[in-house]
Amino acid sequence: EAGVAQSPRYKIIEKRQSVAFWCNPISGHATLYWYQQILGQGPKLLIQFQNNGVVDDSQLPKDRFSAERLKGVDSTLKIQPAKLEDSAVYLCASSAGTGSGELFFGEGSRLTVL
Amino acid sequence: SQQGEEDPQALSIQEGENATMNCSYKTSINNLQWYRQNSGRGLVHLILIRSNEREKHSGRLRVTLDTSKKSSSLLITASRAADTASYFCANTGGFKTIFGAGTRLFVKA
Repeated sequence: EAGVAQSPRYKIIEKRQSVAFWCNPISGHATLYWYQQILGQGPKLLIQFQNNGVVDDSQLPKDRFSAERLKGVDSTLKIQPAKLEDSAVYLCASSAGTGSGELFFGEGSRLTVL
Repeated sequence: SQQGEEDPQALSIQEGENATMNCSYKTSINNLQWYRQNSGRGLVHLILIRSNEREKHSGRLRVTLDTSKKSSSLLITASRAADTASYFCANTGGFKTIFGAGTRLFVKA
């Protein structure tokens, strides 16, 4: 079974530029999550989708971050414009159920904002 | 913040020793999970304990849960150098999974 795929693995941009991250969850998984992990900290939930609907985006900085999950499969997370404090690893995860079971993570996309 | 806390923040032990990590959380839970993260990698699920369970074992892992104290512990017995990683607890209440700050474990060969 293929795992959660993320790209790109690494991205370096200047502040005020834009960036997009892509995630392909495990086939059949209804729930998809985007987490932000700053160096030395635990993952912080940015947004959670159930199929193609948003379940929770309370911690998503909506003035600069956006995410979509078209057709309930792949998802894209965009940052525009980026700030220095956005430097982090962006982790995508998926789960089969409604959000109370095991999460399967991708390898993450490491963003450096200069 | 909804994130719980873990202690210690960092732990260094010799190979063969046991490692114990503790986690406290703030909200009511359906279950509590533990994950492992190797440097530069994604998180990997280790074990899940439901809110009505008090203890669970999986191989060298033992997890306890005390819902009255809103706390959990992870014990790794007979540690190996390959256990060097960060360990995170994650509490799931309703439909959200909230991670703690993690414990960085270093096992010296």
